[in-house]
Amino acid sequence: EAGVAQSPRYKIIEKRQSVAFWCNPISGHATLYWYQQILGQGPKLLIQFQNNGVVDDSQLPKDRFSAERLKGVDSTLKIQPAKLEDSAVYLCASSLYFRVTDTQYFGPGTRLTVL
Amino acid sequence: DQQVKQNSPSLSVQEGRISILNCDYTNSMFDYFLWYKKYPAEGPTFLISISSIKDKNEDGRFTVFLNKSAKHLSLHIVPSQPGDSAVYFCAASVNQGAQKLVFGQGTRLTINP
Repeated sequence: EAGVAQSPRYKIIEKRQSVAFWCNPISGHATLYWYQQILGQGPKLLIQFQNNGVVDDSQLPKDRFSAERLKGVDSTLKIQPAKLEDSAVYLCASSLYFRVTDTQYFGPGTRLTVL
Repeated sequence: DQQVKQNSPSLSVQEGRISILNCDYTNSMFDYFLWYKKYPAEGPTFLISISSIKDKNEDGRFTVFLNKSAKHLSLHIVPSQPGDSAVYFCAASVNQGAQKLVFGQGTRLTINP
């Protein structure tokens, strides 16, 4: 079974530029998550989808971050414009259903460096 | 406001001995707890979990202990193996709908031969 796919793996941009990340979850997984992991910290949940609907985006900086999962499968996370403090690894995860006991499977992440 | 804390950034253990990783939480609403393991350049991988109705859960060499009164959980690895060298994250969730994980900062475990 293929795991969670993410691209690109690495991205370097200048501040105030835009960037987009792509995630393809495990086939059949209904729930998709985007996390931000700053160096030395644990992952922080940004947004959570159930199928193509947003369940929780309370920690998403909506003035610059946006995310969509239009067909309930793959998802994109966009930052526009980027700031220096957005340098982090962006992790995508998926789980089969929408229960607290459903294991989250993580992709390898996209490492973003903002100069 | 760090709701889940791992106060030891690193831990070094000899191969074959017990590794004990600790985690504290402040939010009494948390009732589902997990440990994840992370290798460099990979995403975190689920290791073991425990519900608040239990105080111990065991899976092979891995055992998680939960002390609700102290708001403390620990992960025991016995015996420790070189492949266990990784960063370990504890995480907590409220038992409402999907997991909404709050992670600790992580502890880097190094197993020495």
